[in-house]
Amino acid sequence: GAGVSQSPSNKVTEKGKDVELRCDPISGHTALYWYRQSLGQGLEFLIYFQGNSAPDKSGLPSDRFSAERTGGSVSTLTIQRTQQEDSAVYLCASSQDSSAKNIQYFGAGTRLSVL
Amino acid sequence: GQQLNQSPQSMFIQEGEDVSMNCTSSSIFNTWLWYKQDPGEGPVLLIALYKAGELTSNGRLTAQFGITRKDSFLNISASIPSDVGIYFCAGQLGDMRFGAGTRLTVKP
Repeated sequence: GAGVSQSPSNKVTEKGKDVELRCDPISGHTALYWYRQSLGQGLEFLIYFQGNSAPDKSGLPSDRFSAERTGGSVSTLTIQRTQQEDSAVYLCASSQDSSAKNIQYFGAGTRLSVL
Repeated sequence: GQQLNQSPQSMFIQEGEDVSMNCTSSSIFNTWLWYKQDPGEGPVLLIALYKAGELTSNGRLTAQFGITRKDSFLNISASIPSDVGIYFCAGQLGDMRFGAGTRLTVKP
């Protein structure tokens, strides 16, 4: 597509429920990144994919968080047994590849609210 | 790890004024980037810097890659109301790290 697309744009869930967030990167971009942005804060790196593999999962805050990417395109970020502190905007970005000179282009994010 | 210190955290300025913000790090980077985030949107790239000492302009925006490779600044000249938003620096050496952002408010 023309840009990075994320869905849903907003998600309200109850504590303890699982949620899935979707990211559709720019067509042809092999690298895909997930970030978390808490209210008024900067970007917290979660995980990135080069193709379908995730060389760096160091940012995932707990084992309740997981992500996958299939077919080198769409990625889903899953949060199990959501907690109130998971409430944040989850941003996805993609780049042509993961080399140092590749610019990351961001989606509009999914705003997650855990009640 | 690679920590970026971005300052100031927030700025309140009058329309027409110039703005300056900067990022520093204890580590070197190969690339410095500046992004702007409007409310409800993802960050949008403003300027990318790839070489130490590089000075790049994009309209009223000017950014520089520090000669030590550990810092960068962004200047906005003659601010206008639509400059309102959060500005993030990002440094890249392999992975990318973001500053905490500078929240800019422009009063007409």
